[in-house]
Amino acid sequence: AQSVSQHNHHVILSEAASLELGCNYSYGGTVNLFWYVQYPGQHLQLLLKYFSGDPLVKGIKGFEAEFIKSKFSFNLRKPSVQWSDTAEYFCAGNTNAGKSTFGDGTTLTVKP
Amino acid sequence: NAGVTQTPKFRILKIGQSMTLQCTQDMNHNYMYWYRQDPGMGLKLIYYSVGAGITDKGEVPNGYNVSRSTTEDFPLRLELAAPSQTSVYFCASSYFQGANNQPQHFGDGTRLSIL
Repeated sequence: AQSVSQHNHHVILSEAASLELGCNYSYGGTVNLFWYVQYPGQHLQLLLKYFSGDPLVKGIKGFEAEFIKSKFSFNLRKPSVQWSDTAEYFCAGNTNAGKSTFGDGTTLTVKP
Repeated sequence: NAGVTQTPKFRILKIGQSMTLQCTQDMNHNYMYWYRQDPGMGLKLIYYSVGAGITDKGEVPNGYNVSRSTTEDFPLRLELAAPSQTSVYFCASSYFQGANNQPQHFGDGTRLSIL
């Protein structure tokens, strides 16, 4: 069965620190991968997506993620976080049938 | 564009009551989804639809029903509300065609409490 797992439930960083959030997936075939962000009190918004091609994808607000097929990973990174990055981050995967699976989310708190 | 619109935003129900959560999208997306989000549990897929007239169960369908009579609307019905259904419900939609699997657009959510 398809699954997505996120390693960190809660991450606390100081401003300007670097960020890496782990995501591993388990899918039987072709998979499309996404990272979404949910700011407090808001709905989920797309950060970035990977369909095919260059395994390093860049998203909005300086985020990027790298698809490593051999490790079944799609980790999210940002070189220098800001206080405004405080949010919950979800990794998700879609099969070719369009059905999606979300990880449990990682809460990021950035201290000013 | 309005995107994905959910109503109501908040609702309190008594145990055993029924209600319908409304969801409509104006992006002509073929796929629509209902999720529930419990604290620290991420999003769990309740039902989804690949087009008008077609629905399918997700991970946690028990206690819910859906219908998709039009492309735009995908209401979620709770027939006999139970405390375990207290949650935040998100509707989402996306365009999907073959390998063109676009990301989902989410509504603002419905916060539902069952007392």
